[in-house]
Amino acid sequence: TQLLEQSPQFLSIQEGENLTVYCNSSSVFSSLQWYRQEPGEGPVLLVTVVTGGEVKKLKRLTFQFGDARKDSSLHITAAQTGDTGLYLCAGGYNKLIFGAGTRLAVHP
Amino acid sequence: GAGVSQSPRYKVAKRGQDVALRCDPISGHVSLFWYQQALGQGPEFLTYFQNEAQLDKSGLPSDRFFAERPEGSVSTLKIQRTQQEDSAVYLCASVRLAGGAGELFFGEGSRLTVL
Repeated sequence: TQLLEQSPQFLSIQEGENLTVYCNSSSVFSSLQWYRQEPGEGPVLLVTVVTGGEVKKLKRLTFQFGDARKDSSLHITAAQTGDTGLYLCAGGYNKLIFGAGTRLAVHP
Repeated sequence: GAGVSQSPRYKVAKRGQDVALRCDPISGHVSLFWYQQALGQGPEFLTYFQNEAQLDKSGLPSDRFFAERPEGSVSTLKIQRTQQEDSAVYLCASVRLAGGAGELFFGEGSRLTVL
């Protein structure tokens, strides 16, 4: 069974701080996806990482896929209140399995 | 609309009642997924359709849960004899192609509360 573990579970920071959240597994994934979910909404795709060692940037968000394709990280630079939400990683072959998520709160 | 539509958005049921949750995927999307999301958790896979065929129902928690997509478009998730532990948000997602490797487009979910 493929499992994805995310850490930390909760993160509360001030606007302007940097942060990193992690997604780890003992299984190899062909790709991993990162989604962000706001209250009362469904998750929305941020990025898909496919190649081991790959780094993708989306404005202030930097996503990295581990060399062995078992883990991934999301780094946010100079967090803003609009970054508040639940960050989910997901992977799988015929069905996406989600981690439990990191709930991020950015305070002004 | 252009997105995935789910109804009802909110449903309150008395324990033992049957409920039906509807999902209208993006037109032309081949794959459709149902997930269950408990409060403060990530979505848990329930079942997967490719067109009208239910290819994977390994995540359905019990035989009280049943899903169908008879014409390969709209899908319904039915829960019989609801229990309190069924309280959760039920998310539907569609994917343009077969399989789950592509981008999942989610609806806003149906929040079920069982009293």
